[in-house]
Amino acid sequence: DVKVTQSSRYLVKRTGEKVFLECVQDMDHENMFWYRQDPGLGLRLIYFSYDVKMKEKGDIPEGYSVSREKKERFSLILESASTNQTSMYLCASSFYRQNSGNTIYFGEGSWLTVV
Amino acid sequence: DAKTTQPPSMDCAEGRAANLPCNHSTISGNEYVYWYRQIHSQGPQYIIHGLKNNETNEMASLIITEDRKSSTLILPHATLRDTAVYYCIVRSRSGGSNYKLTFGKGTLLTVNP
Repeated sequence: DVKVTQSSRYLVKRTGEKVFLECVQDMDHENMFWYRQDPGLGLRLIYFSYDVKMKEKGDIPEGYSVSREKKERFSLILESASTNQTSMYLCASSFYRQNSGNTIYFGEGSWLTVV
Repeated sequence: DAKTTQPPSMDCAEGRAANLPCNHSTISGNEYVYWYRQIHSQGPQYIIHGLKNNETNEMASLIITEDRKSSTLILPHATLRDTAVYYCIVRSRSGGSNYKLTFGKGTLLTVNP
């Protein structure tokens, strides 16, 4: 089974703190993603990475950065947390196979509250 | 990606089969049908996907009509833990870093004892 593991399930941080969200996948997937999910807004992509040390901005990258030093690990960094970054954060990974498409697998989610 | 239409909610008795329909009349030839579900407060869980043939795995079966304009997800023996919102999505079969994943409102399946 594909396993995408997010390090923290629930976090409470103060405004201005630097926050690290860690994600590890165990299936040697090339692509990794960070989304946030908010009521009424659906899934929104923050950043994705298609290879080690490679990253691309998604739809809402402002206020976030990412790091991918190893293939299995993708970290999301909130440089200075703000209350509007309170959300559920979802890490995901995917691989492409010619006869099977491009399936995205998600982690359990990290609920971040910024106070 | 093509748009999908699902009923907002369905009920099913525990132990019975749950059949969740999805219309995707504008699907194109290079798009797969994917199903995910999301249990409250958890990340979306991949269930199954298919192109034009029926598919089955340990979780569910996917029946795609011959014209590919609709599909049905079948949970053969629903349990209380299958209560969740189920999303039907069509996505391009292209490779690379295709990240587009638009979840609509989905179907809230409630499995009753």
